[in-house]
Amino acid sequence: AQRVTQPEKLLSVFKGAPVELKCNYSYSGSPELFWYVQYSRQRLQLLLRHISRESIKGFTADLNKGETSFHLKKPFAQEEDSAMYYCALVPSGTASKLTFGTGTRLQVTL
Amino acid sequence: GAGVSQSPSNKVTEKGKDVELRCDPISGHTALYWYRQSLGQGLEFLIYFQGNSAPDKSGLPSDRFSAERTGGSVSTLTIQRTQQEDSAVYLCASSLDGGYADTQYFGPGTRLTVL
Repeated sequence: AQRVTQPEKLLSVFKGAPVELKCNYSYSGSPELFWYVQYSRQRLQLLLRHISRESIKGFTADLNKGETSFHLKKPFAQEEDSAMYYCALVPSGTASKLTFGTGTRLQVTL
Repeated sequence: GAGVSQSPSNKVTEKGKDVELRCDPISGHTALYWYRQSLGQGLEFLIYFQGNSAPDKSGLPSDRFSAERTGGSVSTLTIQRTQQEDSAVYLCASSLDGGYADTQYFGPGTRLTVL
């Protein structure tokens, strides 16, 4: 069975500093990977997904199949980036049932 | 347009009682999912509906949990004989067609507390 690991429960950075939220996965095939975000008092929402190769709100994520990682990065953190971030996986060619990591809380301070 | 809605937003019940949680997906979305968010387990998949196909119940933790989706739209998650370990936030999501990389849109959740 697939598994998603986010090793950090809390990541605290200063405004303007680079951010890297780690995500590792275990799955024998080629998964589709996602980052979901939950801002305070808001619902869970999609931030970005690997298949779209997009940059959203300055965030990017690169799939490294050798290291089975999908780390989320942003060069300069903003206060409004403070939120809970979840990495998620869907096995290739299957229905979109998400397997989530346990999440990392990003705290951006002045 | 309107997003996914869930009701009630909060539910407090006594151990052993049955509860029903409701989800209204985005109009036109054929796929509907239930997840559970709890302190000990994080976010877990529970059940998935796609069109008129038989639901994928592979994530349901016990036979006390069941769900139905009427008319391809509204869904109800029922928990019978609730236990304290059922306390969690129950999230519903919908997507256009349930495809491999389909975007799921989440509701605000129902916070269930079992006393």
